[in-house]
Amino acid sequence: LAKTTQPISMDSYEGQEVNITCSHNNIATNDYITWYQQFPSQGPRFIIQGYKTKVTNEVASLFIPADRKSSTLSLPRVSLSDTAVYYCLVGDIVAAGNKLTFGGGTRVLVKP
Amino acid sequence: DVKVTQSSRYLVKRTGEKVFLECVQDMDHENMFWYRQDPGLGLRLIYFSYDVKMKEKGDIPEGYSVSREKKERFSLILESASTNQTSMYLCASSNKLGPVTDTQYFGPGTRLTVL
Repeated sequence: LAKTTQPISMDSYEGQEVNITCSHNNIATNDYITWYQQFPSQGPRFIIQGYKTKVTNEVASLFIPADRKSSTLSLPRVSLSDTAVYYCLVGDIVAAGNKLTFGGGTRVLVKP
Repeated sequence: DVKVTQSSRYLVKRTGEKVFLECVQDMDHENMFWYRQDPGLGLRLIYFSYDVKMKEKGDIPEGYSVSREKKERFSLILESASTNQTSMYLCASSNKLGPVTDTQYFGPGTRLTVL
C-alpha cells in the first residue's frame, strides 16, 4: 500500500507558481497518481492525474520522474481563489483488495 | 454533472446512539467510499464498495459498518457512537474507467458531533 507524504502547508503570492511535491516511495507498478483540491466546507474535487512523465491540463501540470517515487503538482500563476488544501492520492483501479490512500494534504495560502 | 448527496450537513448525537449516514449518487457509479476527515490527519478511508452488496475495509474500519443494498446508495453505520467519532464524514463515488484510476466525486460532507 503506497503511503504518501506531503508538506503540511505553504504560502505564496498572487501571480506566482506553486509547486507541491508528494513522496510515494513504495508506489506499485499499476498505481496512478491523482491530485485533488478541497475548499473549506466542500468535498475534494479532481484536478489532475498521471502515470509517468508530464501531464498538463487547463488547471495544473503534474511532473512525475522516471522512478515515480514522487510527483509534483504545479499551479501556474495562482490567484487568491487557489487557496485550498491539495491532496495527493496514489492507487490502482478500485477493486477487491485495492485500497486508495490519500496524503495528509498541503494547505496552500495565496496572499495578495 | 455528477451529484453526490449526503443526508445531513450537520448531525449531533449522544454517546451510545446508533447513527446512520446516508449517501446517494445519481450517476450509476459502481464504486462508493466513506472517508472521515480530521484536522491534521487528512482524508482516511473507512470503507469502500466496488459493487452492490460488496464492501471492503479501508484504513480505519473499527467502530463502523456499511451497507450497500442498491447501487446508488451507500450507508455508513456507527453501531454505538463514541466521542472519538466526532468528525467530518465524506462520501464519494467513482466509475470504473478501465486501467485509469477512477476519479472520485465527493459529497459536501456531514459534520457529526457525538456528545
